[in-house]
Amino acid sequence: DIQMTQSPSTLSASVGDRVTITCRASQSISSWLAWYQHKPGKAPKLLIYKASNLESGVPSRFSGSGSGTEFTLTISSLQPDDFATYYCQQYNSYITFGPGTKVDIK
Amino acid sequence: QITLKESGPTLVKPTQTLTLTCTFSGFSLSTGGETVGWIRQPPGKALEWLALIYWDDDKRYSPSLRSRLTIIRDTSKNQVVLTMTNMDPVDTATYYCAHGNSYGPTHFFDYWGQGTLVTVSS
Repeated sequence: DIQMTQSPSTLSASVGDRVTITCRASQSISSWLAWYQHKPGKAPKLLIYKASNLESGVPSRFSGSGSGTEFTLTISSLQPDDFATYYCQQYNSYITFGPGTKVDIK
Repeated sequence: QITLKESGPTLVKPTQTLTLTCTFSGFSLSTGGETVGWIRQPPGKALEWLALIYWDDDKRYSPSLRSRLTIIRDTSKNQVVLTMTNMDPVDTATYYCAHGNSYGPTHFFDYWGQGTLVTVSS
């Protein structure tokens, strides 16, 4: 099984900050990685697929990069609507989600 | 526009079987390339993929839960049903169904239902 880790587990930031979340896979997954935003009581929202492809309708302040085993999600200028938990998901072999990174208000 | 909605019991007893239904619109599960998956999230914990069903009725299950899960489709009703046997309090979670996107070796999920909270308790 491919295991996913994320760091940090919690991130405190202010509006306007640049935020970076790291996701690591236990073995190479090429670029088969997606990122989701999840708010309490809401459905998860797809942000990025194939490591760096922005889903239609997602603001351009979100970007993804990486390949192999290390990936990053960057929010270039944090907005009030961005406080949420972010999950990575590999889809190279079966499907595995990371443990999540909660972005909260500093 | 693709939409999905989960339905089922909010409370089940330990050892019982859970049956959840996903009713969807905006696509047909008999069209090539389409898939529907189930994912759950225990309170305060991470998302966990459970099962996936393909347009050709192929199925994939989480290796850790395979023995307890069954996923079936009813293309005439645009529904996917997930059953999970031998429920335990650790299975308490919000259960989501989602539309799978096959742009890759397996799938990511581009549309999700709102989720349904299932509590396992006697």
